[in-house]
Amino acid sequence: SQQGEEDPQALSIQEGENATMNCSYKTSINNLQWYRQNSGRGLVHLILIRSNEREKHSGRLRVTLDTSKKSSSLLITASRAADTASYFCATLSGSARQLTFGSGTQLTVLP
Amino acid sequence: GAVVSQHPSWVICKSGTSVKIECRSLDFQATTMFWYRQFPKQSLMLMATSNEGSKATYEQGVEKDKFLINHASLTLSTLTVTSAHPEDSSFYICSAQAVDRASSYNSPLHFGNGTRLTVT
Repeated sequence: SQQGEEDPQALSIQEGENATMNCSYKTSINNLQWYRQNSGRGLVHLILIRSNEREKHSGRLRVTLDTSKKSSSLLITASRAADTASYFCATLSGSARQLTFGSGTQLTVLP
Repeated sequence: GAVVSQHPSWVICKSGTSVKIECRSLDFQATTMFWYRQFPKQSLMLMATSNEGSKATYEQGVEKDKFLINHASLTLSTLTVTSAHPEDSSFYICSAQAVDRASSYNSPLHFGNGTRLTVT
């Protein structure tokens, strides 16, 4: 079952602009992960943030986590047309080994 | 980096036939693999957790006799869609987690590229 809700569902921006996607979840988590999916392909892991971390960076990606609000955000700076994809947050909770995925954000970066 | 190979990438079959999808971890061992189903423009729905050497754990609502999972080795899991029907048409994705981690809770999943199944 899906735990996470992401917003917006779809986002369209111009190349060079920043893109922010948000994820909310319902239960306590061990970690939260962000994945990217190009159309018709599998998912690629982008970044993992542990429950005791508040912010993490990887290249042009910045992820924040607010466990008090049960929310996370993914910021992509200086977007490129190649960033066009669907982005999913996923949470790992309790003793579960499987991830629960959010509903996803479809990002379109216009050249 | 860790690579998961999923085969075939697409398959078209007739109603009533069975289709087998393979998921291989190429450069790491995976005691656990996961099978997902994804409908167009929707998120991934976990179907089952595949454990090496033991029976798969199916999510509620997933028919284990219809979606047969075999995880015979640390690098291979297969999903067989038996007696396929048009409503089984979907995008199926597998993922795997490396086995020798200090804490599996903080290991990302590695995904195959998915299989597009069309049942006519």
